[in-house]
Amino acid sequence: DAGVIQSPRHEVTEMGQEVTLRCKPISGHNSLFWYRQTMMRGLELLIYFNNNVPIDDSGMPEDRFSAKMPNASFSTLKIQPSEPRDSAVYFCASGDPLVLRNEQFFGPGTRLTVL
Amino acid sequence: GQSLEQPSEVTAVEGAIVQINCTYQTSGFYGLSWYQQHDGGAPTFLSYNGLDGLEETGRFSSFLSRSDSYGYLLLQELQMKDSASYFCAVRDRQAGTALIFGKGTTLSVSS
Repeated sequence: DAGVIQSPRHEVTEMGQEVTLRCKPISGHNSLFWYRQTMMRGLELLIYFNNNVPIDDSGMPEDRFSAKMPNASFSTLKIQPSEPRDSAVYFCASGDPLVLRNEQFFGPGTRLTVL
Repeated sequence: GQSLEQPSEVTAVEGAIVQINCTYQTSGFYGLSWYQQHDGGAPTFLSYNGLDGLEETGRFSSFLSRSDSYGYLLLQELQMKDSASYFCAVRDRQAGTALIFGKGTTLSVSS
């Protein structure tokens, strides 16, 4: 398996533009997680899905953020409109919640810069 | 809510042993995990403790004491490539299958 795939790897955009981040989880994993990482706030959980259903989106900072998982092999995180404070590395991770150690496999991340 | 505390930085020399502590506050604790992240990379899984005691994986060991809400990661025979950030993370009832991560400890290994 190729692991968790994220695209784009880098995104530079201007304030007010819409940004869409994409993620393909590892085949067979039932859980998908979106995290944001910044120096100030560390690694924050934004939202996660079990079996394509959003379970907890309490970490989504504002209504400008939305996430979807239309099927087991694809998820998107959308920011509209984007703001400079959204600049961060966004990670997608997947895992199998039935595995006791609950290991999560992270994608390479998308480094977002909002000017 | 949940909170995790770990030191922000640790320095050591090659061949040494270093211990990174983590204390946590959660509801309905299910387990403590450790992840490693090299600069510019993604977090990768190192270890998991669901029960009290020590788990050993090569040069790395992880310990958990649920009564003390405390755990640590022990890195032995340090190598330069161990320079990275190390995160403790908990899974608890509130988080469900998600993980809540600490702020991370940056380990610098010098020769």
